[in-house]
Amino acid sequence: QLQLQESGPGLVKPSETLSLTCTVSGGSTSSSSYYWGWVRQSPGKGLEWIGSIYYNGNTHYNPSLKSRVTISVNTSKNRFSLRLNSVTAADTGVYYCARHGGAVDFDSWGQGTLVSVSS
Amino acid sequence: QSALTQPASVSGSPGQSITISCTGTSSDVGSYNLVSWYQHHPGKAPKLIIYEVTKRPSGVSSRFSGSKSGNTASLTISGLQAEDEADYYCCSYAGLIAYAVFGGGTQLTVL
Repeated sequence: QLQLQESGPGLVKPSETLSLTCTVSGGSTSSSSYYWGWVRQSPGKGLEWIGSIYYNGNTHYNPSLKSRVTISVNTSKNRFSLRLNSVTAADTGVYYCARHGGAVDFDSWGQGTLVSVSS
Repeated sequence: QSALTQPASVSGSPGQSITISCTGTSSDVGSYNLVSWYQHHPGKAPKLIIYEVTKRPSGVSSRFSGSKSGNTASLTISGLQAEDEADYYCCSYAGLIAYAVFGGGTQLTVL
């Protein structure tokens, strides 16, 4: 059974870089059938797609975040990562990693990790 | 890329049917049969309940169904149950640049 688990600091200072990793078990980030993505939910708001990566490193990013986001994949360690730089309080929220195929079929999700941006 | 438009809230009594709309544009919902729906109980991971407009993943109740007309996709839940009370989100493919856009979410209350 596929499982995804987010990990990383729960507190980041303004202007610094948010870094999260998603470790995949029961499945492979080397699969050519899926993308691996990040989605967040700010307090009191809806889901927002951040970006996704394919096994070969091809990426898609939300245009509104593109200038600050980098997603990478390490297929040998079966994990993928998110870096969001120059964070502000608006980047506070629960960050989910997820697998998706068929363009936007996010069929497996991590439990989410809360990241707060505060000094 | 703006979020897809969903009603903020809907409600229904047990046994009834409700429909949640998801309105986009000709650049996303209207151009692709690539709309998915998610059920999200607070504090839990979202769950895929509909993909490619009308398809249900294995294990998802047949009480959930999806449709699309023009720039608007819809999720219908029939035979409402207390456990259906959750937030529901739509998501659409939006082309190679914008790629994926979610709706603002709809809170379903089972009265």
